[in-house]
Amino acid sequence: ELKVEQNPLFLSMQEGKNYTIYCNYSTTSDRLYWYRQDPGKSLESLFVLLSNGAVKQEGRLMASLDTKARLSTLHITAAVHDLSATYFCAVEDESKNFGNEKLTFGTGTRLTIIP
Amino acid sequence: DTGVSQDPRHKITKRGQNVTFRCDPISEHNRLYWYRQTLGQGPEFLTYFQNEAQLEKSRLLSDRFSAERPKGSFSTLEIQRTEQGDSAMYLCASSLTQGAPLHFGNGTRLTVT
Repeated sequence: ELKVEQNPLFLSMQEGKNYTIYCNYSTTSDRLYWYRQDPGKSLESLFVLLSNGAVKQEGRLMASLDTKARLSTLHITAAVHDLSATYFCAVEDESKNFGNEKLTFGTGTRLTIIP
Repeated sequence: DTGVSQDPRHKITKRGQNVTFRCDPISEHNRLYWYRQTLGQGPEFLTYFQNEAQLEKSRLLSDRFSAERPKGSFSTLEIQRTEQGDSAMYLCASSLTQGAPLHFGNGTRLTVT
């Protein structure tokens, strides 16, 4: 069974600092997604990473995927308060030949940016 | 693009009652998903439709749960004989193709008393 682990689970950081959130998964997959969720709100897609070595950047966020290490990172540069949210990674299980379209989500990283 | 719409936003019910939730996906999306999210956790997959066909169901979906997507448009999720453990946020999502990101609705928050 596919397992997805994120760390840290909670992260409190000062504005202007850099930090990285890690997402490890347990089985073969070339598809990894990052989502953001604000309190009481639904999930918003941030990045889709579809191959080994994929790197995507949007504003102060950059995501990368290493399928050999089964690891994705979400790097935050010069954090601002607006980035406070819970960030989830999600992996598509490619070990199944059919019906592999479900995503398995990590438990999330709750990020708080302190002014 | 009006987004994924879910109704109701909140539902409070007594244990043992039946509840039904509705999801209207983005109109051109043929893939529709139901997930469940409890406090402090990531969403858990429940079931998936491609057009009107239900192609996958999680073992989390006991026989008290049933989902339909008649005519491949909106979908309903029914929970019969609700239990307190069913209290959660039920999220619907849709996508256009495999590999495309899921577009989530705002969810239906179910509280079973």
